[in-house]
Amino acid sequence: AQKVTQAQTEISVVEKEDVTLDCVYETRDTTYYLFWYKQPPSGELVFLIRRNSFDEQNEISGRYSWNFQKSTSSFNFTITASQVVDSAVYFCALGAYGGSQGNLIFGKGTKLSVKP
Amino acid sequence: GAVVSQHPSWVICKSGTSVKIECRSLDFQATTMFWYRQFPKQSLMLMATSNEGSKATYEQGVEKDKFLINHASLTLSTLTVTSAHPEDSSFYICSARAWNQPQHFGDGTRLSIL
Repeated sequence: AQKVTQAQTEISVVEKEDVTLDCVYETRDTTYYLFWYKQPPSGELVFLIRRNSFDEQNEISGRYSWNFQKSTSSFNFTITASQVVDSAVYFCALGAYGGSQGNLIFGKGTKLSVKP
Repeated sequence: GAVVSQHPSWVICKSGTSVKIECRSLDFQATTMFWYRQFPKQSLMLMATSNEGSKATYEQGVEKDKFLINHASLTLSTLTVTSAHPEDSSFYICSARAWNQPQHFGDGTRLSIL
């Protein structure tokens, strides 16, 4: 069975702190995609990153970084020097690999509150 | 970047009416579109997957006669909630993707049935 677990329901930090959002997944597929999406209070889902399973290089994009560890089935997301605008619900998701990739399996989300 | 437009963003209507929600991919051709439902403080629940020109594939427990999905072109899919009742009140969000590309989501529609 495929499953995504985001154990942290809510996290609260003070601005400029670093914060890591955890994501653990289960799949029997040997190749797959992993995603992170951001859902601010306004409701829309914003695509942040897609990572394929055979690329374990960590990725950095500005203040965002992602650590993919296939050995532990984890795809954690770190925000460095957090800002109030980072306050949102963050979803990790698992998807099938390939052009005809199917639907996404979402975790339950982690609500991040960044206080000034 | 890829843009998906969803309309309307907010609907309030009386019980028994039907409501149509549109999802458009503005700058790419969407081979597949997805419809999700999200309850407050919960994750997204996939309702159905639709490929252009084909009948939608509904997830278990989703009534296909209640939630009509049409995907008539590579840029437009519609979800019609027929004979809506208060329990259908929710946040509905669509996504679209081109071949081998990530899903991009619309802004969502908040549906309130009185």
